[in-house]
Amino acid sequence: AQSVTQLGSHVSVSEGALVLLRCNYSSSVPPYLFWYVQYPNQGLQLLLKYTSAATLVKGINGFEAEFKKSETSFHLTKPSAHMSDAAEYFCAVSTHSGGGADGLTFGKGTHLIIQP
Amino acid sequence: GAVVSQHPSRVICKSGTSVKIECRSLDFQATTMFWYRQFPKKSLMLMATSNEGSKATYEQGVEKDKFLINHASLTLSTLTVTSAHPEDSSFYICSATQGGDIQYFGAGTRLSVL
Repeated sequence: AQSVTQLGSHVSVSEGALVLLRCNYSSSVPPYLFWYVQYPNQGLQLLLKYTSAATLVKGINGFEAEFKKSETSFHLTKPSAHMSDAAEYFCAVSTHSGGGADGLTFGKGTHLIIQP
Repeated sequence: GAVVSQHPSRVICKSGTSVKIECRSLDFQATTMFWYRQFPKKSLMLMATSNEGSKATYEQGVEKDKFLINHASLTLSTLTVTSAHPEDSSFYICSATQGGDIQYFGAGTRLSVL
């Protein structure tokens, strides 16, 4: 069984400040981990994924995440927030790369608010 | 990039009627499609996995007779909510993959049952 916990349903940061969105997972097998972003009235877009290669994963739009097995975490960061980063962010886990054979287990999502 | 189209984006229906939601992969062939349901302030919950030409695999607790899934071609999967009731009101999202690759998501369908 797998599960994902995203700490903080809402995170507010100032424009230009560091963005940190927290994700902890539980998995009985080595996980594949994903971060997705959802803008209003749009589908989920993949930001980045971890599939047992490098533990520090770089994604689109300047985001990156670090897989820490000892902490069962996969936190998402961005050094400098932009107004366009305001969106809903979902962390997800799968036991297969890309979730191709298995569906994804999602966290509840974190709404990122960017203050001007 | 790969595009998944979901239609309709919003539907309102009367209790007891059936509603069909379409999920199309526009520029790739989707060997597997997934259907998720999202409740307010909750995460997306996987309902079923659909492979082209095969019966869908439903997650525990999902009524297969209530949520009929058809994946008749490599670019189209449909979810039919039969005899809909107010408790079926939710946000339904589909995704599609090409042979184990990344999941590409539709924009979702907001179903409201009166």
